[in-house]
Amino acid sequence: AQTVTQSQPEMSVQEAETVTLSCTYDTSESDYYLFWYKQPPSRQMILVIRQEAYKQQNATENRFSVNFQKAAKSFSLKISDSQLGDAAMYFCAYISGVNSGYALNFGKGTSLLVTP
Amino acid sequence: NAGVTQTPKFRILKIGQSMTLQCTQDMNHNYMYWYRQDPGMGLKLIYYSVGAGITDKGEVPNGYNVSRSTTEDFPLRLELAAPSQTSVYFCASSYGGSSYGYTFGSGTRLTVV
Repeated sequence: AQTVTQSQPEMSVQEAETVTLSCTYDTSESDYYLFWYKQPPSRQMILVIRQEAYKQQNATENRFSVNFQKAAKSFSLKISDSQLGDAAMYFCAYISGVNSGYALNFGKGTSLLVTP
Repeated sequence: NAGVTQTPKFRILKIGQSMTLQCTQDMNHNYMYWYRQDPGMGLKLIYYSVGAGITDKGEVPNGYNVSRSTTEDFPLRLELAAPSQTSVYFCASSYGGSSYGYTFGSGTRLTVV
């Protein structure tokens, strides 16, 4: 079974600073996708960024980027120039294969606080 | 441009009551999912469906049932509600395949008292 571990229950960052959220996962598959989702107090699940395992290049979406280390099974999220609107729960997720209906497996989440 | 619509948004049930959480999507997605989110936890898969007429259990299916008679609808049935089913429930859909992300509904907060 695939597992996703987020070891930081809470993180804090000052506005305009950079913060990195950690995620490790366990899988025996060679090709897969990884995702970061943001959940603000509104409860809505918002896709932040995704990474294809067979791609060496780290994904980037504006202020959000990942550090993907396939051998170490590590997938961290870096948020640059943090804004108050970035405050939310962040979930790392791994997508399973066709035998499990391409289900997303989530970590427990990291609560990000952004201070002025 | 509705995406995934869940109803109701909030509900309080008494122990032993039953209810159906509704989920509908208008994107012609084959894959649909039900997750629950307990406080301080990530989302756990309850059931999923890969197309009309096909459903399968996820990680935490006990106490729930689903059906998928159409591509658009994927209702989740709670029979004999228990306090352990107090949670936030999310429905999601996808085209399927590892490269596609999900479209999530806005969630249903259910309290069983």
